[in-house]
Amino acid sequence: DQQVKQNSPSLSVQEGRISILNCDYTNSMFDYFLWYKKYPAEGPTFLISISSIKDKNEDGRFTVFLNKSAKHLSLHIVPSQPGDSAVYFCAASEFGNEKLTFGTGTRLTIIP
Amino acid sequence: DAEITQSPRHKITETGRQVTLACHQTWNHNNMFWYRQDLGHGLRLIHYSYGVHDTNKGEVSDGYSVSRSNTEDLPLTLESAASSQTSVYFCASSVTGARSWEQYFGPGTRLTVT
Repeated sequence: DQQVKQNSPSLSVQEGRISILNCDYTNSMFDYFLWYKKYPAEGPTFLISISSIKDKNEDGRFTVFLNKSAKHLSLHIVPSQPGDSAVYFCAASEFGNEKLTFGTGTRLTIIP
Repeated sequence: DAEITQSPRHKITETGRQVTLACHQTWNHNNMFWYRQDLGHGLRLIHYSYGVHDTNKGEVSDGYSVSRSNTEDLPLTLESAASSQTSVYFCASSVTGARSWEQYFGPGTRLTVT
């Protein structure tokens, strides 16, 4: 039972345009959501997070939006840069539980 | 600088052999985690520990074991390696409490079971 789903395995975007990565979840107990970025042959690194009490969190070129009623979150990257080419994992945690549930990942390719 | 390391980085073993993957962190984090990454499945939690002598099963724990004798290390043992355990394994650690969701990952171990 995949509680966190990323339905797009891959995405290609022109450099300078907006990249939008999507994530859906089924567990209504999730209250904290994160995005991790992974380059080949490296471990994932934390990118940005959002608490369930918010609907938006912004950090530079990266913005995460949360729609609790739809159980959906998205990551926007504006403008997209070649260095953004990586696999992006969505993750979620329940209140008081310090382990994460990850999605299947989306491979983002930025086309110069 | 604090870091989290994994060894070996690559390992080839035969079916039925016991294999141990090492994970060592110098962050002094209480929480440590083991994941496997497979195409189409993302990162799946194998085992995790919230402190010395504490271990817990994750969603794909069958065939794996861990032990936590100190803060820095959480070795992952495959009792009898199977071809289905061919994967990339990641170790991670995090603080307890606030920001516990920010996990720091090692570089991974690519394991091939032949």
